[in-house]
Amino acid sequence: AQKITQTQPGMFVQEKEAVTLDCTYDTSDPSYGLFWYKQPSSGEMIFLIYQGSYDQQNATEGRYSLNFQKARKSANLVISASQLGDSAMYFCAMREGGYTGRRALTFGSGTRLQVQP
Amino acid sequence: DGGITQSPKYLFRKEGQNVTLSCEQNLNHDAMYWYRQDPGQGLRLIYYSQIVNDFQKGDIAEGYSVSREKKESFPLTVTSAQKNPTAFYLCASRSILGQAGPGELFFGEGSRLTVL
Repeated sequence: AQKITQTQPGMFVQEKEAVTLDCTYDTSDPSYGLFWYKQPSSGEMIFLIYQGSYDQQNATEGRYSLNFQKARKSANLVISASQLGDSAMYFCAMREGGYTGRRALTFGSGTRLQVQP
Repeated sequence: DGGITQSPKYLFRKEGQNVTLSCEQNLNHDAMYWYRQDPGQGLRLIYYSQIVNDFQKGDIAEGYSVSREKKESFPLTVTSAQKNPTAFYLCASRSILGQAGPGELFFGEGSRLTVL
């Protein structure tokens, strides 16, 4: 079974508008972390935001926020005030077992976001 | 500046040849990882290492080999046994112990391997 599911292969958004990228996850581990990365066309992976399974508040980093709904096992990324430079692939990822978990991150298949002027 | 350096950035290989991708980090990170990315897809874990002289298979280790003789280096060899090696390869690292923060992975810029 897929551990990370991103159901939107591609999304379009107008510049300056907000956009939500969906991510659902599957784990039976009570301790886990959820990450979002951005991959521009150049290929590097840029860390955006993190949410721990025990965190009470939704994570925010500048224009990025994470809508964490634990009961629904969803961790959607919200980008406010979209900019042309936000056009990229976005990946949701999970690490099970807490901070010192042995496993690496498991990634979803990604969502390609295109910001239109 | 601290970071992860992957080389070469682009590599062409004939079928039947082994090729080694280099990954060096000066972040003093304990754990290092190799991922493979195919066009339009997510990242899949090949191998990872949490300490020198120890490494573990990931989800798609067949046809690949690694070594971890030094903390800062984690080279990946794509062997002739790998049936479909054309892909984008990403190396990453993170600190495990004694560090604050979420322990996110730091990535290199990737190596694009094409088999002719």
